[in-house]
Amino acid sequence: AQKVTQAQTEISVVEKEDVTLDCVYETRDTTYYLFWYKQPPSGELVFLIRRNSFDEQNEISGRYSWNFQKSTSSFNFTITASQVVDSAVYFCALHGSSNTGKLIFGQGTTLQVKP
Amino acid sequence: DGGITQSPKYLFRKEGQNVTLSCEQNLNHDAMYWYRQDPGQGLRLIYYSQIVNDFQKGDIAEGYSVSREKKESFPLTVTSAQKNPTAFYLCASSTILDRGRETQYFGPGTRLLVL
Repeated sequence: AQKVTQAQTEISVVEKEDVTLDCVYETRDTTYYLFWYKQPPSGELVFLIRRNSFDEQNEISGRYSWNFQKSTSSFNFTITASQVVDSAVYFCALHGSSNTGKLIFGQGTTLQVKP
Repeated sequence: DGGITQSPKYLFRKEGQNVTLSCEQNLNHDAMYWYRQDPGQGLRLIYYSQIVNDFQKGDIAEGYSVSREKKESFPLTVTSAQKNPTAFYLCASSTILDRGRETQYFGPGTRLLVL
């Protein structure tokens, strides 16, 4: 079975703080892809990043960074110097090579950044 | 602009009524998907289609039906058999790549409420 767990239901930080959103996944596939999406209050899911199971290099994009560790089956997302506009629900998702068409989502983490 | 459109933004359903949610994309994507999102939960796959005139059930297909007569369009009908239809419905599309490499892009969503 494939599963994604985002244990943090809600996180509240003050602007300019750094925050890390945790994501733990389960799969028996050797080839798989991990994703992060942002869902602002408007509702549309915005694609942030895709990572494949063979590439464990960390990635940085502006204030966003992702830490992929196969040894712990984790794909954590860090926002540096958070801003109010970062307030949203963030979803981690998994697509295993044996699971055609199925993107498995975690429950989501609601991030509130206070001014 | 290329993208995915969903209409209407809000939809009200009376008891025993079938309603249809529209999803159109001009990204030239072969695959399209329908997800349901309940408050505080992740997304669950209802149906998906990888080619015109073909579609597969997802995890929660009961009470829903779809059609794929055109590549650009993938309407979802919520039938009277769906006893708890109140939710946020998201449509997505993607190219078709091997082993799950494709990224799904999402529309703005339709919020369905039961009167």
